[in-house]
Amino acid sequence: EIVLTQSPATLSLSPGERATLSCRASQSVSSYLAWYQQKPGQAPRLLIYDASNRATGIPARFSGSGSGTDFTLTISSLEPEDFAVYYCQQRSNWPPSFTFGPGTKVDIK
Amino acid sequence: QVQLQESGPGLVKSSETLSLTCAVSGYSISSGYYWGWIRQPPGKGLEWIGSIYHSGSTYYNPSLKSRVTISVDTSKNQFSLKLSSVTAADTAVYYCARLLAEYFQHWGQGTLVTVSS
Repeated sequence: EIVLTQSPATLSLSPGERATLSCRASQSVSSYLAWYQQKPGQAPRLLIYDASNRATGIPARFSGSGSGTDFTLTISSLEPEDFAVYYCQQRSNWPPSFTFGPGTKVDIK
Repeated sequence: QVQLQESGPGLVKSSETLSLTCAVSGYSISSGYYWGWIRQPPGKGLEWIGSIYHSGSTYYNPSLKSRVTISVDTSKNQFSLKLSSVTAADTAVYYCARLLAEYFQHWGQGTLVTVSS
């Protein structure tokens, strides 16, 4: 089973600052990695898929990079609505399964 | 635009079976895609439960496989989750979703299910 770890657990930043979130896989997932944003009381929202592709309607300030085992989600300049929890997710081919990382909370400094 | 809506009892007794349904609108399940269930215990992270194709083929989280059944009813454009022998550890918000390849593209709003003793 592939395990995802995320760091840091919490990131305290101010609006306008750059946020850099990390996701590491216990073995290579190629580029099959996604990032989600979740706000309190809401369902997660797909931000990035295939490591670097923005989902429909996602602002350009969100970008993803990486391949293999190390991935990064970057928010170039934090807007007030970006303070949330971010999860990474991958799919294993065999046995077919999906796993999520534990999440990184981006809160207001 | 595809929309998903979970429904089912909000309270289930320990050792009984949790049953939820996801009604899909704006897209016909029989047209394709995989559909899935994900849960989130209060204050915790996300856990994939299982997925189903419109044809009925399924795959489940190995840690839950012995207790999970996911089925699809294309005539009603919905799919369902059954989780047997529940315990307090199964208390969570349960989400249904539509997959885009390996990713969960569209999500329902979620429904909280509490397991009581």
